[in-house]
Amino acid sequence: NAGVTQTPKFQVLKTGQSMTLQCAQDMNHNSMYWYRQDPGMGLRLIYYSASEGTTDKGEVPNGYNVSRLNKREFSLRLESAAPSQTSVYFCASSNQGRTNEKLFFGSGTQLSVL
Amino acid sequence: RKEVEQDPGPFNVPEGATVAFNCTYSNSASQSFFWYRQDCRKEPKLLMSVYSSGNEDGRFTAQLNRASQYISLLIRDSKLSDSATYLCVVTPWEYGNKLVFGAGTILRVKS
Repeated sequence: NAGVTQTPKFQVLKTGQSMTLQCAQDMNHNSMYWYRQDPGMGLRLIYYSASEGTTDKGEVPNGYNVSRLNKREFSLRLESAAPSQTSVYFCASSNQGRTNEKLFFGSGTQLSVL
Repeated sequence: RKEVEQDPGPFNVPEGATVAFNCTYSNSASQSFFWYRQDCRKEPKLLMSVYSSGNEDGRFTAQLNRASQYISLLIRDSKLSDSATYLCVVTPWEYGNKLVFGAGTILRVKS
């Protein structure tokens, strides 16, 4: 089982460049999430989608946009990358979108913005 | 004050030792509590949920103290394979789908 698949695994951008991180899950989950993880900070929620067709801001949404393309796919876009966006990004999904549901994470994207 | 605070460690323990981590949370309305495990450069994975009455899964025991607003994780008979970062996760009711992660506690088990 693939679970949650993220691409790319690594990316280096120059300041001002744009890119899209792709995420797909094959578990028929309703809810999907994008987190970033920085040293000493823990994972912080960027955006989430409780169901197909809906998206909501998380704790740190500035500089990002998301698209819930269908039930399987949830992409994260950086329109104009900044060095402060250097981080490890994780996509996750869960079944019901309730707080007591287990999160399944993708393997992460290491992004460096120079 | 951070919503979820953990001692970053590292905790360096010998194989077979018992080790305990605490995690404090600031929002008294928090409803759900979890421990996730994260191996180096890997994604987090759910280790166990934490229930009000406390719960055990093999060598791992999780407890919740609502009065003092902390949760704990006890690992007995530590194995080399337990070396990882342990993330405390809390879900304040009013935050809806937002899970708040602690920065993690590093455990290193040595032979």
